[in-house]
Amino acid sequence: TQLLEQSPQFLSIQEGENLTVYCNSSSVFSSLQWYRQEPGEGPVLLVTVVTGGEVKKLKRLTFQFGDARKDSSLHITAAQPGDTGLYLCAGVTYGQNFVFGPGTRLSVLP
Amino acid sequence: DTGVSQDPRHKITKRGQNVTFRCDPISEHNRLYWYRQTLGQGPEFLTYFQNEAQLEKSRLLSDRFSAERPKGSFSTLEIQRTEQGDSAMYLCASSPLAGGAGELFFGEGSRLTVL
Repeated sequence: TQLLEQSPQFLSIQEGENLTVYCNSSSVFSSLQWYRQEPGEGPVLLVTVVTGGEVKKLKRLTFQFGDARKDSSLHITAAQPGDTGLYLCAGVTYGQNFVFGPGTRLSVLP
Repeated sequence: DTGVSQDPRHKITKRGQNVTFRCDPISEHNRLYWYRQTLGQGPEFLTYFQNEAQLEKSRLLSDRFSAERPKGSFSTLEIQRTEQGDSAMYLCASSPLAGGAGELFFGEGSRLTVL
């Protein structure tokens, strides 16, 4: 069974602070994705990382895929209240199935 | 609106009743996925289809759950003899069949409450 772990489970910070959330697995995936989910809505894709060691930037968000393609991190610089939400990592299997982690619930206070 | 739509958005039922959820994916998407999500948790995989073929089904899915995608377009998820533990958000997502990493496009979900 392919499982993903995320840490921390909850994070509450002040506006302007930086943060990093982590996604770890004992399995290798073909790629890894990060989604953000807001209350009452389905998750929305933020980024896909494919190559080990890959780093992608999306405005204030920086995503990194581990060299062994088993772990990933999401770093947010100068967090804003609009960043509040549930951040989910998803491993994409070679059979094109998507396995989600439990999520990190982020709250950014103004 | 050409996104993924789910119906109903909310369903309250009594234990032991059957419920059915419908998902209409984005029209050109070949793959359709069903997930279950409880409060504060990530989506838990239930099953997925490529066109009308059900390619994978979670071992966690009991015999009370069945899903169909008869014409490769919309899909239904039926839960028979509901139990209180079935209370959750049921999410549907679709994805185009692509050579690389696809993207899941989610609907807004169907929230089930079993009393």
